[in-house]
Amino acid sequence: GAVVSQHPSRVICKSGTSVKIECRSLDFQATTMFWYRQFPKQSLMLMATSNEGSKATYEQGVEKDKFLINHASLTLSTLTVTSAHPEDSSFYICSARASGDYEQYFGPGTRLTVT
Amino acid sequence: GQNIDQPTEMTATEGAIVQINCTYQTSGFNGLFWYQQHAGEAPTFLSYNVLDGLEEKGRFSSFLSRSKGYSYLLLKELQMKDSASYLCAAVDSNYQLIWGAGTKLIIKP
Repeated sequence: GAVVSQHPSRVICKSGTSVKIECRSLDFQATTMFWYRQFPKQSLMLMATSNEGSKATYEQGVEKDKFLINHASLTLSTLTVTSAHPEDSSFYICSARASGDYEQYFGPGTRLTVT
Repeated sequence: GQNIDQPTEMTATEGAIVQINCTYQTSGFNGLFWYQQHAGEAPTFLSYNVLDGLEEKGRFSSFLSRSKGYSYLLLKELQMKDSASYLCAAVDSNYQLIWGAGTKLIIKP
């Protein structure tokens, strides 16, 4: 149980375009979802926390207008990278947590390359 | 402030034992997780400790001392596939995970 999927697993886009990444909890209801970014050889960096039906809470330094997060249902959250630039190239990982649970279940990640 | 400290990198020999330490300072404490992350992959759950003591799970064990703000992950009978980063994360009073920077473990034959 507790499976989280992410789509796409890899995406290449041109600078200036937008990319949407989906995160789904397949067998549980995720009241909270988290979006992380990880640059090569660095640790996870939390970007934002989203609770179903409410606005996401962004970490300091993360532009909310650039990284749009929607958590419209208990099984789906999306991250849209708007007007992507090469410096946005990174490994984006989502995780999901059920109500009353401490553990975060991670998706497999999305490798974004902006050319 | 909240802080998690763990060594940046460790090297060990195949078949040996290695202990990865983690110290934490958080506002409130609701347990500590260890995750394993292979390069290019997402983290996977290894253990969760909320009470003091040692919990053993096969070749991996995790220890917690709440009074010392200290935990360690013990890996026995090391295999080459254990080469990965090991992430320590403490749960604070708001039930958020506070992440360490990760320890890269290199296993040599």
